[in-house]
Amino acid sequence: DAGVTQSPTHLIKTRGQHVTLRCSPISGHKSVSWYQQVLGQGPQFIFQYYEKEERGRGNFPDRFSARQFPNYSSELNVNALLLGDSALYLCASSQRTGVLNEKLFFGSGTQLSVL
Amino acid sequence: GEDVEQSLFLSVREGDSSVINCTYTDSSSTYLYWYKQEPGAGLQLLTYIFSNMDMKQDQRLTVLLNKKDKHLSLRIADTQTGDSAIYFCAESNSGNTGKLIFGQGTTLQVKP
Repeated sequence: DAGVTQSPTHLIKTRGQHVTLRCSPISGHKSVSWYQQVLGQGPQFIFQYYEKEERGRGNFPDRFSARQFPNYSSELNVNALLLGDSALYLCASSQRTGVLNEKLFFGSGTQLSVL
Repeated sequence: GEDVEQSLFLSVREGDSSVINCTYTDSSSTYLYWYKQEPGAGLQLLTYIFSNMDMKQDQRLTVLLNKKDKHLSLRIADTQTGDSAIYFCAESNSGNTGKLIFGQGTTLQVKP
């Protein structure tokens, strides 16, 4: 079975542009979470989606948005890119939400560089 | 608030034991996790412990939890060069299982 897949693997943008990152969860998983990992730091929670509804949001500006599709894949959109948005963006999937010890499985991430 | 802290770097010799430490602040933490990240890769779940447990052993990995001091440790027995990576401690509570709070990671260097 394929794991969590993310595309693209690398991306270079300039300030002010917008970017869309994509994630396909493990087959059978209905929940997708997005994390931002700045170099040298741990991942920070951005969003969680379950059954196409937003179930959690981290402390990120409104320039960040996401959605989940009927097939449970997800997109993360970032508008008006800033240099500080340069980071590894990780997607994680799980079968459900709201269940204790629901394990998260992470993809390899999209490395975004903003110049 | 929620905060997780780890020491940044640990160097050991191959065959020795490694102990990576973590402290957290959220007393409502339900599960605590250890993830491994190799260069250019995502996060791999290594092990986890429920907050009402003191210890969990899984092959070469031993997790110790001191809930009173909010201190978590990961011991790797017989450390190998393939164990060189960044190790992240993370906590969650029952409020939102898609949201983990991560530490800043401990880089483990294993010398031959």
